[in-house]
Amino acid sequence: DQQVKQNSPSLSVQEGRISILNCDYTNSMFDYFLWYKKYPAEGPTFLISISSIKDKNEDGRFTVFLNKSAKHLSLHIVPSQPGDSAVYFCAASGMGGNQFYFGTGTSLTVIP
Amino acid sequence: NAGVMQNPRHLVRRRGQEARLRCSPMKGHSHVYWYRQLPEEGLKFMVYLQKENIIDESGMPKERFSAEFPKEGPSILRIQQVVRGDSAAYFCASSRLGTDTYEQYFGPGTRLTVT
Repeated sequence: DQQVKQNSPSLSVQEGRISILNCDYTNSMFDYFLWYKKYPAEGPTFLISISSIKDKNEDGRFTVFLNKSAKHLSLHIVPSQPGDSAVYFCAASGMGGNQFYFGTGTSLTVIP
Repeated sequence: NAGVMQNPRHLVRRRGQEARLRCSPMKGHSHVYWYRQLPEEGLKFMVYLQKENIIDESGMPKERFSAEFPKEGPSILRIQQVVRGDSAAYFCASSRLGTDTYEQYFGPGTRLTVT
């Protein structure tokens, strides 16, 4: 039962343009959402997070948007850089929950 | 500034053997989480431990898998009598305060191959 879904397994974007990665979730009890970035042969690296009391959080080139009514979040990267090429996972956690539920990942390729 | 360390990075076992995966959390972190990533899938939570305590093992298979985080030394994920379906990447993460911080820092993973 996949509670967090990333329906696009891959995405290619030209350098300098915007990358938009999407994530949907089914559990309305989730109240904290995170994005992780993963390079091959490495563990995931925390990128940015958002709690359910907000609808937007920005950190440099990275912005996460949360639409609670649609149970949807997205990660915007602008401008995209070749070094952003990696697999991006979204994750969700419930109140007081110990575990994160991860999506299956979206592989982003930024073309120079 | 050592991050989360896992060893070995690669482990090959024959069916029926035991696999032991080790995880040393970041300095100052006392909470450890284990995740498994099967091919073409996302990370799946397995177990959450504090020193000498298993807090949540709801993601652990009921048989053959066990985890510990002793007072001294690394956390160990142990898989007995491995089968081919256990082949996966196993990631460990640590955090300082457990659920309060929400940020888990991941190790590089151990890739287990069962032949």
